[in-house]
Amino acid sequence: DTAVSQTPKYLVTQMGNDKSIKCEQNLGHDTMYWYKQDSKKFLKIMFSYNNKELIINETVPNRFSPKSPDKAHLNLHINSLELGDSAVYFCASSQRGQRAGGNTIYFGEGSWLTVV
Amino acid sequence: GQSLEQPSEVTAVEGAIVQINCTYQTSGFYGLSWYQQHDGGAPTFLSYNALDGLEETGRFSSFLSRSDSYGYLLLQELQMKDSASYFCAVSRGSSGSARQLTFGSGTQLTVLP
Repeated sequence: DTAVSQTPKYLVTQMGNDKSIKCEQNLGHDTMYWYKQDSKKFLKIMFSYNNKELIINETVPNRFSPKSPDKAHLNLHINSLELGDSAVYFCASSQRGQRAGGNTIYFGEGSWLTVV
Repeated sequence: GQSLEQPSEVTAVEGAIVQINCTYQTSGFYGLSWYQQHDGGAPTFLSYNALDGLEETGRFSSFLSRSDSYGYLLLQELQMKDSASYFCAVSRGSSGSARQLTFGSGTQLTVLP
């Protein structure tokens, strides 16, 4: 069973298009995240949701809009894609208040977005 | 602001011991985590230190000194499969708030035969 699953795994699209990446976790966690990893492997948090409520919204263009229909799902919609959006986008989840392991975050396998 | 520093690359041979250091500057520090990421894969949790000292998990150990804002990951009896990127990450936040995990830029470990 995949704990955090995201689709699609690979996405090649043209500049200006709108695309979505879906994410689901079956761990029963109450917090979900979107991270962006660039070509230099720098892993940066974009958004965090706790029980469907946005709690972290880092400085990302407003072309990026997360949507959490329930606490097991966090989708990422990107409008007007630009070349610089090419990256790997990781969905992740954790359980808030978890003492053991601090913020143990479970990552999905990543969605490789290429904008041409 | 906040920052984390770790070496960009480390190379070692099979069977050796390697230490990856991480220094950090942040407010509201709760703990230091380590994650491993193989090429093309997802980051996976290795260890977490909230208190000063050494935590051991099999061949991997992690150390934290809160007073020095410093930690390290120690990998013993290196194996080829340990070739990967290793990220330190600080867990921070205020009391009652959500913890935010901020990652360092990663250390690419190459294990040679």
